[in-house]
Amino acid sequence: DVKVTQSSRYLVKRTGEKVFLECVQDMDHENMFWYRQDPGLGLRLIYFSYDVKMKEKGDIPEGYSVSREKKERFSLILESASTNQTSMYLCASSLLLGQYEQFFGPGTRLTVL
Amino acid sequence: AQKVTQAQTEISVVEKEDVTLDCVYETRDTTYYLFWYKQPPSGELVFLIRRNSFDEQNEISGRYSWNFQKSTSSFNFTITASQVVDSAVYFCALSGPNTGGFKTIFGAGTRLFVKA
Repeated sequence: DVKVTQSSRYLVKRTGEKVFLECVQDMDHENMFWYRQDPGLGLRLIYFSYDVKMKEKGDIPEGYSVSREKKERFSLILESASTNQTSMYLCASSLLLGQYEQFFGPGTRLTVL
Repeated sequence: AQKVTQAQTEISVVEKEDVTLDCVYETRDTTYYLFWYKQPPSGELVFLIRRNSFDEQNEISGRYSWNFQKSTSSFNFTITASQVVDSAVYFCALSGPNTGGFKTIFGAGTRLFVKA
């Protein structure tokens, strides 16, 4: 059974903390994605990666960075968490960019106090 | 502009009713892909269907069916004889060369409540 896993389902952090969200996929997919989901806004792409050490900004990259040192792992980093980054974060992977479906992890609900 | 509109924010039906979720898209691409995903209360999005722009055949999978009409730029999703387990948020999505190099654009989602 194909899997995308995320390190935490729920996370509570304080303003100014550095936050790491980890994502691992076991499908040998080239492409991995980080989305943010907010009510009424659907899914918005933060960053994606099409290969190890390669990354591209999505629609809302401000305040975030990413790291992909290994093919199966894609990390999202909040350098200095702020309350407006309280949200649901979804990781996904896919075989071919845009042409095939994405496989999603269970999500991390992050609360920044 | 590349855009996906799901005008229905929430729909509430009683079990066994049929329900259609609307999806209208905008694209200037001739080759593009459309998707539907389901997000149950557990939170994990699950892929339902993919359609490319050259395949306008309607698709049926059990109680689910999809109607793709390029003439109206719509890709609607119908659930026949709805069940409580169909309660979820459903997302329509689009990708193509002009969505930022085949990035996927998601609609805002439609929340479906199916009452017993």
